Amino acid sequence: AQRVTQPEKLLSVFKGAPVELKCNYSYSGSPELFWYVQYSRQRLQLLLRHISRESIKGFTADLNKGETSFHLKKPFAQEEDSAMYYCALGPMGFGNEKLTFGTGTRLTIIP
Amino acid sequence: DAGVTQSPTHLIKTRGQHVTLRCSPISGHKSVSWYQQVLGQGPQFIFQYYEKEERGRGNFPDRFSARQFPNYSSELNVNALLLGDSALYLCASSLQLGSQTEAFFGQGTRLTVV
Repeated sequence: AQRVTQPEKLLSVFKGAPVELKCNYSYSGSPELFWYVQYSRQRLQLLLRHISRESIKGFTADLNKGETSFHLKKPFAQEEDSAMYYCALGPMGFGNEKLTFGTGTRLTIIP
Repeated sequence: DAGVTQSPTHLIKTRGQHVTLRCSPISGHKSVSWYQQVLGQGPQFIFQYYEKEERGRGNFPDRFSARQFPNYSSELNVNALLLGDSALYLCASSLQLGSQTEAFFGQGTRLTVV
């Protein structure tokens, strides 16, 4: 069964401090992992995916298969980073096209 | 450039009633997925349609059904509404199936069952 765990519902960080949003997953195969973000009054949107190995808005995430983790990191938080962040697993294809989301972490950047 | 559009934005229904939610994907997108987001939780997969065929179904009762039309728009139907069906219903569209294609989400329909 696919499962995504985000242990922190709320996270507050001072501006300029490092940010780490935790995500652990459970999946027996080779995972496809994503981070989605929802800014205030905006729709859910893709932030980054592990397969592209990009840095988006200063955020990076590394897939650690040994620890089954995909933590989101940014070295210096900015006020505009305040948002709801969801880690998601999938789709896997071959009839399994769903995204499995975690419960989300609300990140607040303190000025 | 219009993104994924959903209608209505808000809806109040009574227990036992039926509801139809609508979604228009981004032009050219052939895949539409539906998700239910209960307050405090992440979105939970309900259905996916691609080229008018159901390609995935989540763990929801048969009261939930959906379809995709020739223009790739989609409807989600829920019969015999329960209080627990109160949630934000999200629609997402993508060009095709698989992990290589990005899912674009609509603003959602907020359903309240009283």
